[in-house]
Amino acid sequence: DGGITQSPKYLFRKEGQNVTLSCEQNLNHDAMYWYRQDPGQGLRLIYYSQIVNDFQKGDIAEGYSVSREKKESFPLTVTSAQKNPTAFYLCASSVTGDEKLFFGSGTQLSVL
Amino acid sequence: AQSVTQLGSHVSVSEGALVLLRCNYSSSVPPYLFWYVQYPNQGLQLLLKYTSAATLVKGINGFEAEFKKSETSFHLTKPSAHMSDAAEYFCAVTRGGRRALTFGSGTRLQVQP
Repeated sequence: DGGITQSPKYLFRKEGQNVTLSCEQNLNHDAMYWYRQDPGQGLRLIYYSQIVNDFQKGDIAEGYSVSREKKESFPLTVTSAQKNPTAFYLCASSVTGDEKLFFGSGTQLSVL
Repeated sequence: AQSVTQLGSHVSVSEGALVLLRCNYSSSVPPYLFWYVQYPNQGLQLLLKYTSAATLVKGINGFEAEFKKSETSFHLTKPSAHMSDAAEYFCAVTRGGRRALTFGSGTRLQVQP
C-alpha cells in the first residue's frame, strides 16, 4: 500500500540532545512537508521541500534542520537550539502543483 | 499573507443534529481553501477543497462547505451528525506564491448520544 511512514511514534529527548524524526513516502510525490502541532495552535509549517536537494524554511524553522537527499525521504532533526520541542510532528507529501496533502500518523516528541 | 480563523475551538452537538464549523479567511488573491479532519493520534485527511470552481463543495462522509466571497467564509456543514464524526477539524488556505498550506487552529467536534 502507498503511504507515508513516520517513525518513531514516540520519541524522548534529553537536554542538549539532537534527535531525528524519520519520514518516508512511497507515493512518488515530489513535495514533502514538516508541520508541528501544539494544542490549540493548529499546525505550523517548519520546512518544506518541492524537489530533491532543495528545501525552504517555513514559519517556525529555528531550531530545526532537514535534508532531502532522496525523493522518498525527508528527515527532520530537532536540535538542542529548539528550546521547546515537545509537540506532535506531522510529515506530509503532495504531488507538485496539487494542494492535497497526504499525512503520516505523526511522532510525539517529549523532553525528559 | 493568507490566513484562516476558525471560530470556536470546541463544538458539541447531539447525534442527528446539524454540524456547523466556522472558518473565515484572509487573502489578497483568490484563495484555495480546504477542510481536513484529524482523528486521535493520527495524521490529517482531506475532507474537501475549493479551487474556484463551484462555490458549494461536497466532500467525503456527507460534509460540504460553501465558499462565500462577500463574507470571506468557508464554513463546513453536515446535516446530521454521527458519533463517528467526533474529531478535530482544520480549515486551511494556500499561501500566496507557495503551495504549502496555512492551517487554522482547529475545532474539536464532540457528538453526544
